[in-house]
Amino acid sequence: QSVLTQSPSVSGAPGQRVTISCSGSSSNIGAGYDVHWYQQVPGTAPKLLIYGNKNRPSGVPDRFSASTSGTSASLAITGLRAEDEADYYCQSSDSSRSGWVFGGGTKLTVL
Amino acid sequence: QVQLVQSGSELRKPGASVKVSCKASGYSFTNYGLNWVRQAPGQGLEYMGWINPNTGKPTYAQGFTGRFVFSLDTSVNTAYLQISSLKPGDTAVYYCARYCSGGNCYSGTFDYWGQGTLVTVSS
Repeated sequence: QSVLTQSPSVSGAPGQRVTISCSGSSSNIGAGYDVHWYQQVPGTAPKLLIYGNKNRPSGVPDRFSASTSGTSASLAITGLRAEDEADYYCQSSDSSRSGWVFGGGTKLTVL
Repeated sequence: QVQLVQSGSELRKPGASVKVSCKASGYSFTNYGLNWVRQAPGQGLEYMGWINPNTGKPTYAQGFTGRFVFSLDTSVNTAYLQISSLKPGDTAVYYCARYCSGGNCYSGTFDYWGQGTLVTVSS
């Protein structure tokens, strides 16, 4: 069972907006540790998508945005495209685990 | 450019050992932590721990103590993951990932990943 909780799946039609949530606790997101998001296309390695709660690395489209509030974080994808179909993972530090933790992942299906 | 290149797939019998390598290039190897992440078939990412390439000190996450060993050979910019007494439940893709602690990279993230190494444990 993951320390960070994500809904297993989400779906949307091309052009639509979807959000992916990541629920933590006072020992990770709620403690102020940064949240990062990774995108993993099946069969490939994860790729950094969002860092420091809300920042996009160079090359990541502005269709991707993220935020944090309290003990939770969320990732929003607007203007859904077929190539967005992937698994998405949140990551943070956790003081009770003395290291990093990942969410269980959310599978995005583009209908 | 930064690259992490891992060794190829491995098939082992239960009780055997395996050693996965992760060769780094394109950056100063001793300046960035090197993490290991496990992904069982159809499952999510599981953090295993990391090794400090500057000091050689490994840190293991919960559930990855005892049978798992991180090591380095800084002369060839390579990190290793060794798993002993393999069990079928160890079947997974194992990733190495560079940790950016600051400077000219995305601080606090696993900014570069290896391609993954599939370890299959089956009799």
